[in-house]
Amino acid sequence: ILNVEQSPQSLHVQEGDSTNFTCSFPSSNFYALHWYRWETAKSPEALFVMTLNGDEKKKGRISATLNTKEGYSYLYIKGSQPEDSATYLCAFLPYNAGNMLTFGGGTRLMVKP
Amino acid sequence: EPEVTQTPSHQVTQMGQEVILRCVPISNHLYFYWYRQILGQKVEFLVSFYNNEISEKSEIFDDQFSVERPDGSNFTLKIRSTKLEDSAMYFCASVPEGHSYNEQFFGPGTRLTVL
Repeated sequence: ILNVEQSPQSLHVQEGDSTNFTCSFPSSNFYALHWYRWETAKSPEALFVMTLNGDEKKKGRISATLNTKEGYSYLYIKGSQPEDSATYLCAFLPYNAGNMLTFGGGTRLMVKP
Repeated sequence: EPEVTQTPSHQVTQMGQEVILRCVPISNHLYFYWYRQILGQKVEFLVSFYNNEISEKSEIFDDQFSVERPDGSNFTLKIRSTKLEDSAMYFCASVPEGHSYNEQFFGPGTRLTVL
């Protein structure tokens, strides 16, 4: 059983604050790490697929970093807006393990106006 | 923009009844998945499907579960005799061919409540 953990479980921030959260995953047998954004009553939507140690990806105010040697990824949101309120899921894909994604428990972000 | 759709959005059933959850993946996608999330728990992989057969399944996907792609567009998950513990949100996802890192396109989910 693969252990993928996210912290914190939930986070309340004020509009304009910058924030970050963590996904930890097994440091061996790494193939890819996915980040998804899941708004209530909508489909989870892919934010980033990270594949190389040291990867940094950015989409607007959201960015992510990856450290495969120590088994963690950070997701950063700069200048949070109420529309960033969602659950952020990470999912680990090991090498040579077919297609099975293993998800973390998610971080639920609430941005207060 | 094409999207994965799922029906119904909410299904309530009695324990022991059969349910069929329906998904319409994005039309040129070739890999299909079912996941579930029991309230308060992590999203869990159930099964993957490619070329009209199951390619992987988790230990959750026992003989009570089956999947089918009956007509080339729908992708269904059947639970033969539902149990209380099958209550969960069920997500379908699809992936186009050539997407080597398996980025998934999810549907909005079907919430299954077993009474």
